[in-house]
Amino acid sequence: KAGVTQTPRYLIKTRGQQVTLSCSPISGHRSVSWYQQTPGQGLQFLFEYFSETQRNKGNFPGRFSGRQFSNSRSEMNVSTLELGDSALYLCASSFGPPGTEAFFGQGTRLTVV
Amino acid sequence: AQTVTQSQPEMSVQEAETVTLSCTYDTSESDYYLFWYKQPPSRQMILVIRQEAYKQQNATENRFSVNFQKAAKSFSLKISDSQLGDAAMYFCAYGGLIQGAQKLVFGQGTRLTINP
Repeated sequence: KAGVTQTPRYLIKTRGQQVTLSCSPISGHRSVSWYQQTPGQGLQFLFEYFSETQRNKGNFPGRFSGRQFSNSRSEMNVSTLELGDSALYLCASSFGPPGTEAFFGQGTRLTVV
Repeated sequence: AQTVTQSQPEMSVQEAETVTLSCTYDTSESDYYLFWYKQPPSRQMILVIRQEAYKQQNATENRFSVNFQKAAKSFSLKISDSQLGDAAMYFCAYGGLIQGAQKLVFGQGTRLTINP
């Protein structure tokens, strides 16, 4: 069974640009969660999608958004990029609720210059 | 609010020896899950072990075992016969109902070095 796949692995963007990251969950998993990982803040929850609906959202500005498609694949978008958005963005999928299990992808390393 | 605290930012151990990583958490819930994740330099978060709070028996996965003390809200990870491939960041995580929704909350991590 294939694991969680995140694309792209690396991204370099300029301040003010926008970016879209993609996550394909494990087959059969309908819950997809996104996390931002930085050295200073650790792992911070961004949002969770289930059956194309956002169920939960963390404390991030509205520049961070996401969506989920009918095949459970998810995308997150960050608009008007700031230097502080440089981070590793991790996606996790689960069959049950995210608090019961989470399987992670390899992440997308975003660098904003 | 649910928080997870890992008091050891860094730990080191000699190859083949045993090391214990500490984790404490705060919650008012009775049903929840606890996890240890490993993040090697490849960056992928790998699930090491999972404990369900209602189970009194400590979870074990080969060389990895936990000491789950529910009353003390403590969840330590013991790695026996440490191997070079165990070198990584280790994250403790709490999973359960937080502000009405099922969520996963992570500690700040412990960097484990294995000395040959």
